[in-house]
Amino acid sequence: TQLLEQSPQFLSIQEGENLTVYCNSSSVFSSLQWYRQEPGEGPVLLVTVVTGGEVKKLKRLTFQFGDARKDSSLHITAAQPGDTGLYLCADSRDNYGQNFVFGPGTRLSVLP
Amino acid sequence: NAGVMQNPRHLVRRRGQEARLRCSPMKGHSHVYWYRQLPEEGLKFMVYLQKENIIDESGMPKERFSAEFPKEGPSILRIQQVVRGDSAAYFCASSPGGGSLYEQYFGPGTRLTVT
Repeated sequence: TQLLEQSPQFLSIQEGENLTVYCNSSSVFSSLQWYRQEPGEGPVLLVTVVTGGEVKKLKRLTFQFGDARKDSSLHITAAQPGDTGLYLCADSRDNYGQNFVFGPGTRLSVLP
Repeated sequence: NAGVMQNPRHLVRRRGQEARLRCSPMKGHSHVYWYRQLPEEGLKFMVYLQKENIIDESGMPKERFSAEFPKEGPSILRIQQVVRGDSAAYFCASSPGGGSLYEQYFGPGTRLTVT
């Protein structure tokens, strides 16, 4: 059974700081997705990465996928209060997108 | 283009009653997934459906839980004889399938409270 670990579990920083959160898998990812979930809402897809070594940027967010496709990081530059939320990584578990497994998440709080 | 819709947003049931949760996928999406999220925990996959077919229900409890996605109308997650342990947020996600099968779009969730 694949297990996804995310670290840190909680992170509280001041506005303007940089931060990195991590996602590690006990087995190779089929494909990796990062989501952000705000309180009382459903997760919102941020990015999908498939190729080992892949780097994707989304404004102030940079996503890296490890060469071995077993780990990933999300770096946020100059964090803003609007970045506050639960960051979840997920794997599709197979090449057909039929069954997704989610990590426990990193809960980020950006203080003004 | 409306997003994924779920209703009700909040549902309170007494132990032993039935809960019915509805999910309307995004327009043009024919793949639906249901997840359960307990407080301070991640999402747990329950079931994956396409129109009129259950593709993968490996995450669904064997008893009291069922799901359907009829040819017409929303997908339904049904919980019979609810117990306190069923209290959680239930999220539905949809996907267009094909090359975008990895990308899921989530609804706002239904928060079930069993008293």
